Amino acid sequence: DADVTQTPRNRITKTGKRIMLECSQTKGHDRMYWYRQDPGLGLRLIYYSFDVKDINKGEISDGYSVSRQAQAKFSLSLESAIPNQTALYFCATSDVDRDWNEQFFGPGTRLTVL
Amino acid sequence: QKEVEQNSGPLSVPEGAIASLNCTYSDRGSQSFFWYRQYSGKSPELIMFIYSNGDKEDGRFTAQLNKASQYVSLLIRDSQPSDSATYLCAVKGGTSYGKLTFGQGTILTVHP
Repeated sequence: DADVTQTPRNRITKTGKRIMLECSQTKGHDRMYWYRQDPGLGLRLIYYSFDVKDINKGEISDGYSVSRQAQAKFSLSLESAIPNQTALYFCATSDVDRDWNEQFFGPGTRLTVL
Repeated sequence: QKEVEQNSGPLSVPEGAIASLNCTYSDRGSQSFFWYRQYSGKSPELIMFIYSNGDKEDGRFTAQLNKASQYVSLLIRDSQPSDSATYLCAVKGGTSYGKLTFGQGTILTVHP
């Protein structure tokens, strides 16, 4: 079984709809992240959480919110989706902070907002 | 200026050649540097990390770091068609404590 899972894998929605993307992990990591990827822009950080009680905004948090329901679960919500939120969304996890810490990525959710 | 910038692609090399991927960063306090490979439609996977000046080799891959020049590179020797992917440079530390800042990625194509 995959260590980091994301649901749904694909989603098409309409402008103004509320949508939630979910991430679960079995790696036992405390740190979780949400990124979006757009062509030519690499990965940009939306929100991150270093433990259940710690939530932080990333560089592009406007229009998004998150919930850390447990160590293993981190959800991303779009309260009122708009077309420029069409992108590929990745969840990632990492262990306690060390210089060489790797982030492990989920398979991604492809979101289309019409 | 972008915080992390990679050489613009796409980069195309023949099979067996050396592919050179470059990355510069603006935060002089950055401490760790990562290269991720991402196949089309897949998630990024880590292939190399480096945090000391100099070279680090792992099989056909060599990462090079020059903190004075704020420059990190990835060399792929004996390039194979299976190396065709997008390569993402990521930087950690400095003002982005605990987080990774990614470059925009370089698309590499290795043609037979």
